[in-house]
Amino acid sequence: GNSVTQMEGPVTLSEEAFLTINCTYTATGYPSLFWYVQYPGEGLQLLLKATKADDKGSNKGFEATYRKETTSFHLEKGSVQVSDSAVYFCALNNFNKFYFGSGTKLNVKP
Amino acid sequence: DAGITQSPRHKVTETGTPVTLRCHQTENHRYMYWYRQDPGHGLRLIHYSYGVKDTDKGEVSDGYSVSRSKTEDFLLTLESATSSQTSVYFCAISESPSGLNTEAFFGQGTRLTVV
Repeated sequence: GNSVTQMEGPVTLSEEAFLTINCTYTATGYPSLFWYVQYPGEGLQLLLKATKADDKGSNKGFEATYRKETTSFHLEKGSVQVSDSAVYFCALNNFNKFYFGSGTKLNVKP
Repeated sequence: DAGITQSPRHKVTETGTPVTLRCHQTENHRYMYWYRQDPGHGLRLIHYSYGVKDTDKGEVSDGYSVSRSKTEDFLLTLESATSSQTSVYFCAISESPSGLNTEAFFGQGTRLTVV
């Protein structure tokens, strides 16, 4: 079957710290992988995506690489800001069905 | 931003009453989804649609029904609301050009409280 597992939160970092949020997946075939971000009271917004193995998605300083050999899609940012505080969801799309991780809350302190 | 509108944004209803949530899109996307979001569970798929009058169940479909009579509208009905259906409901849309697994776009959510 298809599933996504991401690290439990909350993750608390100081401003300018390095961020990693781990995500692994199980899927048949060739899924696309995504990271979404959710701010309080809002819907999910696409942060970045990768559609095939070894693709790197990037946006707003965040990056993630589609690793088929380790079935992973870890989210990284070199220097977080207070404004990055939100909940982050890893997701996959396989045959037009989406599967989400349980979300990781990130708190960035000034 | 993708043109997705959910209505209402907030609703309080009594146990046992029927409730309908509406999702309207202006993107002409083929696929539409209803999810619920609860603490500790992430997003769980309730129902989805792959075209007008074409729908299928998700992982938590019991107590819910859907209809899609037009490309732009996808309705979610709680037939007889229960307290366990208190949640935040999200609509999402996606397209699949040339069979690619593309991203989904989400609405702003509907916060439903069943008392």
